[in-house]
Amino acid sequence: IAGITQAPTSQILAAGRRMTLRCTQDMRHNAMYWYRQDLGLGLRLIHYSNTAGTTGKGEVPDGYSVSRANTDDFPLTLASAVPSQTSVYFCASSLTYNTEAFFGQGTRLTVV
Amino acid sequence: KQEVTQIPAALSVPEGENLVLNCSFTDSAIYNLQWFRQDPGKGLTSLLLIQSSQREQTSGRLNASLDKSSGRSTLYIAASQPGDSATYLCALRETSGSRLTFGEGTQLTVNP
Repeated sequence: IAGITQAPTSQILAAGRRMTLRCTQDMRHNAMYWYRQDLGLGLRLIHYSNTAGTTGKGEVPDGYSVSRANTDDFPLTLASAVPSQTSVYFCASSLTYNTEAFFGQGTRLTVV
Repeated sequence: KQEVTQIPAALSVPEGENLVLNCSFTDSAIYNLQWFRQDPGKGLTSLLLIQSSQREQTSGRLNASLDKSSGRSTLYIAASQPGDSATYLCALRETSGSRLTFGEGTQLTVNP
């Protein structure tokens, strides 16, 4: 059982480039989330989806977009990367919006 | 706005010691509270989930308590081991939204 798979594991990206971080879960969870983790700021929610076909904005959504075409996949897109988007990105899922959450291993993104 | 505080930020103990990690929060309107462990450069591993109607949960050497009225949760680790060294994070699932709100964590070092 893989759980949550994120790709790539790490990436160095030139500012202004477009990038999609991939997240796939095999637990048939309805809810999925994207967080970023920064030293001194902790984990902050970027976007979430309570069920396939719906998405919502979290605490820090600017510069990011998501889609939820099916239950398993929840990609996060940076349309035009900026250095302030350098961070570690975590995808998470839960069966419903108020149950135990599980996290992927993260994507370390550096925007230069 | 929910605020989650974890004190101390760092803790160093000798192997075999029992220890308590603290988590305090400002808004008691929560579905549940979840404790996670994060190893350096890794994702978050779920340790314990306490529903808002529960007072405590136990898993092996770990015991988590929840007191909504005082806005506090504790994670008790019995007979600590060097392998327990990690950062421990608490997170609240608020009833007002879909997100988990995280504390900044306690970095635990267990010395052999």
